[in-house]
Amino acid sequence: NAGVTQTPKFQVLKTGQSMTLQCAQDMNHNSMYWYRQDPGMGLRLIYYSASEGTTDKGEVPNGYNVSRLNKREFSLRLESAAPSQTSVYFCASSEAPLGDTQYFGPGTRLTVL
Amino acid sequence: LAKTTQPISMDSYEGQEVNITCSHNNIATNDYITWYQQFPSQGPRFIIQGYKTKVTNEVASLFIPADRKSSTLSLPRVSLSDTAVYYCLVQGNTPLVFGKGTRLSVIA
Repeated sequence: NAGVTQTPKFQVLKTGQSMTLQCAQDMNHNSMYWYRQDPGMGLRLIYYSASEGTTDKGEVPNGYNVSRLNKREFSLRLESAAPSQTSVYFCASSEAPLGDTQYFGPGTRLTVL
Repeated sequence: LAKTTQPISMDSYEGQEVNITCSHNNIATNDYITWYQQFPSQGPRFIIQGYKTKVTNEVASLFIPADRKSSTLSLPRVSLSDTAVYYCLVQGNTPLVFGKGTRLSVIA
């Protein structure tokens, strides 16, 4: 039981490049989330998916797109990376949306040059 | 969204009890108080959740007064491995709002 897994662990991009961050959970959870954490700051919600087939914007959605591929997988795409998107990205999942305990992945450290 | 206020940092010696207080003045009737712990280079980890009075598990205790406008996370006999950032959140039917948390440093 791996919990929440994220790939890659580290990534360096040049401004304007695109990439997709992958997240998968094996807990049969209905809800999944993407957060970003800037140095010395708390986590900020980018997008979430309350259930398979639905996605909603969080606090900081601009510059990102998401896909809930199936119940297990939730991907985050940066279409044209900017230095302001340099951050650590965490994926999380929960059995029920929003009000339930969230389980976090190990994070992806992204640097945009 | 219900916001919380907690100290930016705290220091403690090993073996001491640590109490971290959080204020959440506009908590709604259906909201719970939840605490997460985050070690460097890791994602946050759920510690404890409560609605009122006292909740205890193998890791911590959570004290919530009757008005529910504040809560206190109590960590008994901390060790060096408890050095982390602790987040107090109000959890209901809206997205979680993580503040900057409280950075706890445990000193030998």
